[in-house]
Amino acid sequence: SQQGEEDPQALSIQEGENATMNCSYKTSINNLQWYRQNSGRGLVHLILIRSNEREKHSGRLRVTLDTSKKSSSLLITASRAADTASYFCATERGAAGNKLTFGGGTRVLVKP
Amino acid sequence: GAGVSQSPSNKVTEKGKDVELRCDPISGHTALYWYRQSLGQGLEFLIYFQGNSAPDKSGLPSDRFSAERTGGSVSTLTIQRTQQEDSAVYLCASSFYTSGEQYFGPGTRLTVT
Repeated sequence: SQQGEEDPQALSIQEGENATMNCSYKTSINNLQWYRQNSGRGLVHLILIRSNEREKHSGRLRVTLDTSKKSSSLLITASRAADTASYFCATERGAAGNKLTFGGGTRVLVKP
Repeated sequence: GAGVSQSPSNKVTEKGKDVELRCDPISGHTALYWYRQSLGQGLEFLIYFQGNSAPDKSGLPSDRFSAERTGGSVSTLTIQRTQQEDSAVYLCASSFYTSGEQYFGPGTRLTVT
């Protein structure tokens, strides 16, 4: 079963605009990670935020985490056509080992 | 360096046949994971290896599914008597640490006809 729900399920924006997607989860976590997937194949790790962190930046990516609301957001600033992909949040729970539990994903289309 | 590799990249099999999917993790990564991605179920965890042992097999959907890892490296996921609902992309990932970022392979797309 999936830990998280993501919204929106799909997002279409113009190049240069910002893209924001949200993830909610159900249980306590060690960390929350965001992954990108192109063409329905391998996933690429983007950023990890630990449960004691509230915000993290990496290049054009900004992630927030609100453990009281069990939610996270991923912001991609100044989007590019190459950002077109599906984005997944994944939670790691200490009691469950290192396995990741994924959300349903957000499909992002960046139009040139 | 080389990333996680999986073979075959695509596999078409007839219902009832057995299939073996292979994963070569990044050298030195002690943890290895199998996930499955399908339209109906999204991304699901199947099994986790630490070295050659599997402390968490909780995601294997039935006893038709098994996996092994030898020499702390290559892993094989075997599906016996395949069913149409086994059609999915099977993803393998590895990690150096027991927590944090996982590195994914390109996946094996399995189609059961």
